[in-house]
Amino acid sequence: QVQLQQSGAELVKPGSSVKISCKASGYTFTSYDMHWIKQQPGNGLEWIGWIYPGNGNTKYNQKFNGKATLTADKSSSTAYMQLSSLTSEDSAVYFCARNWELAFAYWGQGTLVTVSS
Amino acid sequence: DVVMTQTPVSLSVSLGGQVSISCRSSQSLVHNNGNTYLSWYLQKPGQSPQLLIYKVSNRFSGISDRFSGSGSGTDFTLKISRVEPDDLGVYYCGQGTQYPYTFGAGTKLELK
Repeated sequence: QVQLQQSGAELVKPGSSVKISCKASGYTFTSYDMHWIKQQPGNGLEWIGWIYPGNGNTKYNQKFNGKATLTADKSSSTAYMQLSSLTSEDSAVYFCARNWELAFAYWGQGTLVTVSS
Repeated sequence: DVVMTQTPVSLSVSLGGQVSISCRSSQSLVHNNGNTYLSWYLQKPGQSPQLLIYKVSNRFSGISDRFSGSGSGTDFTLKISRVEPDDLGVYYCGQGTQYPYTFGAGTKLELK
């Protein structure tokens, strides 16, 4: 069965960077886009971008250009998202989600990022 | 960006009842390839969202036939029949037709 296992919660300082991971199993990692989605406390969902692990192609929501960088390691079937120049506005739960027919079919459990000094 | 407007914001239902949630988009969701990439998700408390419906009316694997999606263009509806306790949570619509992909603000389904 398809599973996406995300890395644990992070407490980071303003101005720093953080890299969170999403390890995929149960399917061919290189064959499906992996999306990243942000959810701030009590708020809805915001799409950050996708990466196609097969060739490393990416597409970003312009709002996150310069903020998020998506990468993937085929050897470990793991997708990564690095967030830089962190502010309190970046405090949120971040989900990875695998594509199916341009919908988000399988979701990781979420990674809470808290930005605080 | 395509704005997705969901109504109502919240909904109270009795177990066994039926509800409808509306989702309207600010632009047509018909893709150049003829498909309409409108999907529905349920986020239960403390959990990740789960996909219920994709491409307007297709139930995802393992989803009960009590859930049905309909609509076209800019106007879409999710219907839930014979509501069960496990159906409670926040429902989101989302579009994958135009970049950036966007979601509605959510509809909270609660017990009456």
